[in-house]
Amino acid sequence: AQKITQTQPGMFVQEKEAVTLDCTYDTSDPSYGLFWYKQPSSGEMIFLIYQGSYDQQNATEGRYSLNFQKARKSANLVISASQLGDSAMYFCAMREGPNDMRFGAGTRLTVKP
Amino acid sequence: DAGVTQSPTHLIKTRGQQVTLRCSPKSGHDTVSWYQQALGQGPQFIFQYYEEEERQRGNFPDRFSGHQFPNYSSELNVNALLLGDSALYLCASSLWPVGVNTEAFFGQGTRLTVV
Repeated sequence: AQKITQTQPGMFVQEKEAVTLDCTYDTSDPSYGLFWYKQPSSGEMIFLIYQGSYDQQNATEGRYSLNFQKARKSANLVISASQLGDSAMYFCAMREGPNDMRFGAGTRLTVKP
Repeated sequence: DAGVTQSPTHLIKTRGQQVTLRCSPKSGHDTVSWYQQALGQGPQFIFQYYEEEERQRGNFPDRFSGHQFPNYSSELNVNALLLGDSALYLCASSLWPVGVNTEAFFGQGTRLTVV
């Protein structure tokens, strides 16, 4: 069964506007971690933000914030003030306990000037 | 501080051949994981190495094997290559023990094309 679902294959956003990338997950483990990675065309996965299942507050890292809704099992990434350099693939991933990461299919974000 | 380095960056092999990909983890890291990323898909976990032993394995056939050396670097070997093995192979390093909040640092990957 798919553990991580990203329903938006592609998204467009105007430069300087905010954009939300969706991610839902499936787990019965009470302890898990959620990650967002950015993958530019070069291929390297760049870590953006982390949210733990027991964290009370939504994670923020600069222009990135994570809208964590535990009951709905969603962990949406919000990018504020989009820049042209934000154009890339974005992946949501989950780690349950000591297990390795499981990734979603990704969302391709294109920032328009 | 060197990040995760992978070699080669690109590789073309013929169906049926064998291939070896290499990874040096980020300085100070002792755990290496390998992922396969087919075109248009997310990375799929192959296996994880710590203390020169395979600790976890994803749903990949035995044609995929690995090794970790005492200096923590790692190799991924794929035998009897199939056209479907064409993908970007990503190496990620982290610190043991792996927990829910363990961040993985990725290399730029090796793009393997099987013809």
